[in-house]
Amino acid sequence: LAKTTQPISMDSYEGQEVNITCSHNNIATNDYITWYQQFPSQGPRFIIQGYKTKVTNEVASLFIPADRKSSTLSLPRVSLSDTAVYYCLVGDTPGGYQKVTFGTGTKLQVIP
Amino acid sequence: EAQVTQNPRYLITVTGKKLTVTCSQNMNHEYMSWYRQDPGLGLRQIYYSMNVEVTDKGDVPEGYKVSRKEKRNFPLILESPSPNQTSLYFCASSFQDGKNQPQHFGDGTRLSIL
Repeated sequence: LAKTTQPISMDSYEGQEVNITCSHNNIATNDYITWYQQFPSQGPRFIIQGYKTKVTNEVASLFIPADRKSSTLSLPRVSLSDTAVYYCLVGDTPGGYQKVTFGTGTKLQVIP
Repeated sequence: EAQVTQNPRYLITVTGKKLTVTCSQNMNHEYMSWYRQDPGLGLRQIYYSMNVEVTDKGDVPEGYKVSRKEKRNFPLILESPSPNQTSLYFCASSFQDGKNQPQHFGDGTRLSIL
């Protein structure tokens, strides 16, 4: 059963780089790792997705080691508006072909 | 505008009174899914659908039904709601693959069952 583990919460000051790590020891060979951001009372929003090594877009970077058992979301120079819950998502292949399992998420609090 | 639309946004009802939460997407996506979100438990998948007439259970399907008669719509049905189904519900869709392609989420439906 593919399951993800993330820190429950993190605090960071404005302007700092934030790294959130997700553990997914049983990730299937063909599955990607996807990160979402969620603000209170809103639906999650896609941030970034990767399969291996490093992926970068305009808002974040995603680092995935060779064994793919973990991944790290990196948010450069966070601002107050980055205060949100961040979810790591992988497939749940043994449970169903397209079943997905979200972790409980990491609540990031950005401090002025 | 590409979007996933859920209705209603808020509903207060009583135990045992059947209700349906509608979900519609305008992106011609094949994959659709329902989640519930409860404090401390994150997002849990209820049901998903890979295409018309193809549905399967997620982690917490008990007490819920779904149907996928048209590609754009994926209603969530609570035949006999109970208080433990009080929650925030999200519908989502993606092009073909719920695991390896980004999912687009609706704004949520807050259900209170008394």
